[in-house]
Amino acid sequence: GESVGLHLPTLSVQEGDNSIINCAYSNSASDYFIWYKQESGKGPQFIIDIRSNMDKRQGQRVTVLLNKTVKHLSLQIAATQPGDSAVYFCAEGFFGNEKLTFGTGTRLTIIP
Amino acid sequence: DAMVIQNPRYQVTQFGKPVTLSCSQTLNHNVMYWYQQKSSQAPKLLFHYYDKDFNNEADTPDNFQSRRPNTSFCFLDIRSPGLGDAAMYLCATSRVGGATEAFFGQGTRLTVV
Repeated sequence: GESVGLHLPTLSVQEGDNSIINCAYSNSASDYFIWYKQESGKGPQFIIDIRSNMDKRQGQRVTVLLNKTVKHLSLQIAATQPGDSAVYFCAEGFFGNEKLTFGTGTRLTIIP
Repeated sequence: DAMVIQNPRYQVTQFGKPVTLSCSQTLNHNVMYWYQQKSSQAPKLLFHYYDKDFNNEADTPDNFQSRRPNTSFCFLDIRSPGLGDAAMYLCATSRVGGATEAFFGQGTRLTVV
């Protein structure tokens, strides 16, 4: 079956540096992708999404890049802060279908 | 203000004893989901409601049931919890038309003893 997965399960970044979290997906027909942040003991929190007809979208300190040629999605976090420490999940979905498929997740640790 | 509220945050139940987890929302969203999340794993969809229509995932065990008496509330019933059912249970909601910006509750952590 098709799946969404991540290249790296853990990532440690020095505070203030930029971080890049990667995600590989296999369903080229997905209409959109979402990045979620999940802090310990909490539910996932929406960060940013991108539609399949876009290749870049920026938010506050975050940028998502979509490379459909290689089916790759990345989340860039600028000037990381201790509060960015969390597990980050990518997820994919289809318009008109209520379901999301989550990837494995990457644990980001910010080193003071 | 919390928009998707799950109660309780922590639940301890005995092996084989039925347990119900609850979720309420103030967003008036049509779709409500229940996910199971085990340690260091991605959330796994158990089932969801689109309005009153129940949609079960093919691999969700019969031990898991759900009720949605109205738009605001949705319940997860585990009829006979086993040790393998210990997990975080997440409720989420979204608007009609797609799962973009699904809003998650804080989850209920279930322990089975």
